[in-house]
Amino acid sequence: EADIYQTPRYLVIGTGKKITLECSQTMGHDKMYWYQQDPGMELHLIHYSYGVNSTEKGDLSSESTVSRIRTEHFPLTLESARPSHTSQYLCASSGAGGGRFDPSGNTIYFGEGSWLTVV
Amino acid sequence: GNSVTQMEGPVTLSEEAFLTINCTYTATGYPSLFWYVQYPGEGLQLLLKATKADDKGSNKGFEATYRKETTSFHLEKGSVQVSDSAVYFCALRGGAGGTSYGKLTFGQGTILTVHP
Repeated sequence: EADIYQTPRYLVIGTGKKITLECSQTMGHDKMYWYQQDPGMELHLIHYSYGVNSTEKGDLSSESTVSRIRTEHFPLTLESARPSHTSQYLCASSGAGGGRFDPSGNTIYFGEGSWLTVV
Repeated sequence: GNSVTQMEGPVTLSEEAFLTINCTYTATGYPSLFWYVQYPGEGLQLLLKATKADDKGSNKGFEATYRKETTSFHLEKGSVQVSDSAVYFCALRGGAGGTSYGKLTFGQGTILTVHP
């Protein structure tokens, strides 16, 4: 079992509100990721981090921002939510290898997802 | 860059039928290959993986073999169950010697529905 947690699981908010999606992992993984799932179910990488104080934009442009102040925590923030931000957001992490969860460091583990609806 | 192509769905089968979901990839270097499954209302779960050519990943009756010569990682199961109904994603993680090292690239997903 992978230990990566996302909150909230489901959220409905009004346009213009600020929202932060939380993601935490207890595996000591250095790499963390945020994916956005579109209505066609495709997954798009929007942010990733290779370690503390390291964040990069992913393949899909996103108005969200991320921070990585602690190894275990990788929150995603929308300063002003819009209906176009309605989606499922999936957080993931992977390690450098050598740990009990994934000795090879190859596997990326996902949280259960945060379903965001902006009305 | 890397890319993953899955067979288009949705796929509808009767219980105990044989399942194949095709997956081909384009990558440089030595990628690792994965199948993830997403049950309704849930996040992604790792189903199986293979980290080098000719490796076979298997779990819960599903199998996939890493074929470097055909750049494929097709998912198979001999006898599907209603509980296998889900969305299946083929994925590639860039490996050493290639572009996009460490990043995961997904296929577009295939919806599988199994009827009793």
